[in-house]
Order: sequence, then structure tokens, then C-alpha cells
Amino acid sequence: DTGVSQDPRHKITKRGQNVTFRCDPISEHNRLYWYRQTLGQGPEFLTYFQNEAQLEKSRLLSDRFSAERPKGSFSTLEIQRTEQGDSAMYLCASSWTDSPDTQYFGPGTRLTVL
Amino acid sequence: GQQLNQSPQSMFIQEGEDVSMNCTSSSIFNTWLWYKQEPGEGPVLLIALYKAGELTSNGRLTAQFGITRKDSFLNISASIPSDVGIYFCAGLLYMEYGNKLVFGAGTILRVKS
Repeated sequence: DTGVSQDPRHKITKRGQNVTFRCDPISEHNRLYWYRQTLGQGPEFLTYFQNEAQLEKSRLLSDRFSAERPKGSFSTLEIQRTEQGDSAMYLCASSWTDSPDTQYFGPGTRLTVL
Repeated sequence: GQQLNQSPQSMFIQEGEDVSMNCTSSSIFNTWLWYKQEPGEGPVLLIALYKAGELTSNGRLTAQFGITRKDSFLNISASIPSDVGIYFCAGLLYMEYGNKLVFGAGTILRVKS
């Protein structure tokens, strides 16, 4: 299966801990997106990479959040000093420049902060 | 900011019935998309609409992009149990260096067999 993959699928952590999630996009896709989804809502845009460059960040992305895509392939999203309000599903999506409207989503990482 | 309003919030229908859901926005979008999400999974693209007035089908699914580019509907004909899930509309917003999706809150579909 060559779809978008995310790891881990589930993460339970205590408030104040740091967590890191990984996303592996579809191999030929140069665009990568992070979204956050809370219960009963649709996904909300967090940030976007084209190759290794982070080109857009939402105001939802507080200083405790950082995302990287060092080699233009996989990406990591780190949350420092987690808070209970960070509990959500974190979704990654990827697309190809020639077909920018078509974003393919991964299965998500569900974060629970106790 | 941009906001998409989806209705209904949820539907509980009999297998074989047709389903209709819609999405409205106060803003114009140049591309509308419909996604389906099943529990524990990410959204899966069902249909993409690129032109105002466009009517597109994908199997039992039909979607239309409103003339004003501020609304869209999705119809599912002859529903089956595997249609269960959450259906999201999304508008594509162009940013300076790329684009992002703005999602509605979703319509939960349950099918009684």
C-alpha cells in the first residue's frame, strides 16, 4: 500500500510531556499538510510544506507546536508541554503540484492528553 | 474566517433509501470537495467539483457545485450499509504558496438494514 502513513496511530500522554508524530506521504507527492480534528468537527488546517519548505502556518499552531520536513519526504509534528486541549486526531495529507486540489489523507494519530 | 455549514448534522435512514446532504458558505470557493470518513481513519476523497454549476457522479454518488460557488450538495442513491460514516464538504482555499482545505462539521450517516 503506497498511501499516506502516520505513526503512531494512538498516543496517550500526561499533561506537560512532549510528543512527536511522523507522517510519510505518498512517495511522489511534494506537498504535505497537517490538520487537526476534534470530536464532532471537520479537520482544521495547521501547516503546509512544499518539499522541505514550510510555507504556511495557521494561527492554531501555537509556539508549543513545531513541524519539520527536513529532506522533503517524511514530516514530524512535535507538541511540547502538552495540554488537555491538545487532545485530538492529527491528520497528515499529501498532494502533487500538478494536482494540488487532490489531497490524500493518512489514517491520523489520535492524541489523548491526561 | 471562512466557515462551511453542513446539514443535516446526522441522518438515520433505511437501506435502499436515497440520501441528500448539503453545504453552504458565506465565502466563494473555486473548488469544492466531498470526503467520507470512517471511524479511526482519515477522510477519503469522494468527488471534486471545479466549475460553478458542475454536476459530477461517482457510482451512486452525485454532487453539484452551486452557481454562486457558495454551496454544494451530495446525493447518495440506494444507500447500503457500507455507506455509514461521516461525510464532509470542503472548500479549497488558495494561499500565497499553496492551498488548504476548509471543512464543514460533517453529516453523520447511519443506515438501518
